[in-house]
Amino acid sequence: ENVLTQSPGTLSLSPGDRATLSCRASQSVINNYLAWYQQRPGQAPRLLIYSTSSRAADIPDRFSGRGSGTDFTLTISRLEPEDFAVYYCQQYGGSPFTFGPGTRVDIK
Amino acid sequence: EVQLVESGGGLIQPGGSLRLSCAASGFNFRNYWMNWVRQAPGKGLVWVSRIGDDGSGAVYADSVKGRFTVSRDNAKNTLYLQMNHLRADDTGVYYCTKGQYFASGSFNSWGQGTLVTVSS
Repeated sequence: ENVLTQSPGTLSLSPGDRATLSCRASQSVINNYLAWYQQRPGQAPRLLIYSTSSRAADIPDRFSGRGSGTDFTLTISRLEPEDFAVYYCQQYGGSPFTFGPGTRVDIK
Repeated sequence: EVQLVESGGGLIQPGGSLRLSCAASGFNFRNYWMNWVRQAPGKGLVWVSRIGDDGSGAVYADSVKGRFTVSRDNAKNTLYLQMNHLRADDTGVYYCTKGQYFASGSFNSWGQGTLVTVSS
């Protein structure tokens, strides 16, 4: 199975800061089928990015994704108060689908 | 509007069985592969199972293979997860998810989840 590792585990930032989250795969992600999700406390996850860099419907353009192969990045250009949450990467190019352990973005 | 509503969770003793349901609406259910994803308390997301649009092609995570069975009733727009021989590490919130298109593994719709607690 393709194991995903996310770093850092926690990111402490202020509103308006830029956030850069990393996701590394143990094997190359087939077709770069890599997604990012946001999960706020008590809520279901929400799809932000699919196919490495495509924003899902209604996702603001301050969220962007890039990468290929085994190294991927989610960037939030300017943090809004509602962006403080946990972020998960997921690969869906191979079976089983796998998720990373998550990065928590905290208010500094 | 797409809606996925899970039900059937609860407290169950180790070794017991539960059947989860997911009622789908707002999209053509029979045209989509569907998945179950779970989340242990305070932990991350784990994909559990998926099933093809016509009920074929079921796939499972190794941790549940042989114990869980996914199925669907396209006439009732409902997805199921039969869970047998439950263990403490099966505890968590179980989400029903829909992909962006046909067999997509990127999940753009999630239910609110149903909590399964396996404990004596």
